[in-house]
Amino acid sequence: DADVTQTPRNRITKTGKRIMLECSQTKGHDRMYWYRQDPGLGLRLIYYSFDVKDINKGEISDGYSVSRQAQAKFSLSLESAIPNQTALYFCATSDLPGYPGTDTQYFGPGTRLTVL
Amino acid sequence: GENVEQHPSTLSVQEGDSAVIKCTYSDSASNYFPWYKQELGKRPQLIIDIRSNVGEKKDQRIAVTLNKTAKHFSLHITETQPEDSAVYFCAARREYGNKLVFGAGTILRVKS
Repeated sequence: DADVTQTPRNRITKTGKRIMLECSQTKGHDRMYWYRQDPGLGLRLIYYSFDVKDINKGEISDGYSVSRQAQAKFSLSLESAIPNQTALYFCATSDLPGYPGTDTQYFGPGTRLTVL
Repeated sequence: GENVEQHPSTLSVQEGDSAVIKCTYSDSASNYFPWYKQELGKRPQLIIDIRSNVGEKKDQRIAVTLNKTAKHFSLHITETQPEDSAVYFCAARREYGNKLVFGAGTILRVKS
């Protein structure tokens, strides 16, 4: 879905480096999410935001921080990267839940991060 | 909080056969259950969802069934085709809830 974009698509970094992953969307959705995907562990929620002034921790927020710069932009930062943060990271957006047709989460293409 | 378990972790079927993936959830207040498909190297995409006010929903070759009493729901794919090969994720959420909780995923391989 070209309406949700992520940069970079691939990144290799070293332990201890600070890194930022960026997400932009043109769907006009208020809700944005960051997930981490590891083999056999599914999609785990890191942080989510329901509007520019709203930031919430997900189930695995330790070692990560986020910034919602605008309705359309949601960034994920690793302040000091470590090898076990090597994973595939997805940004997603959604409309208000609870109404048919509005529950769908639209995912970005993903960022593959490797921490050496 | 909600916990979603998904089985099996891998499933191989012959082309034309049916495939069934099952998920169980722990939060009895959950009543929205979507299924996402992720093809190799691609992003997850919603393929079907169900709310607790219905027991079954169909869309062509795919269907989802829900048993609220037992707290489990299943994805059924009939007449499987090679393009059905992918990772499938189930998820659960409370109505008007804040976030989805995903299962660990099932790798489906359709052998031709």
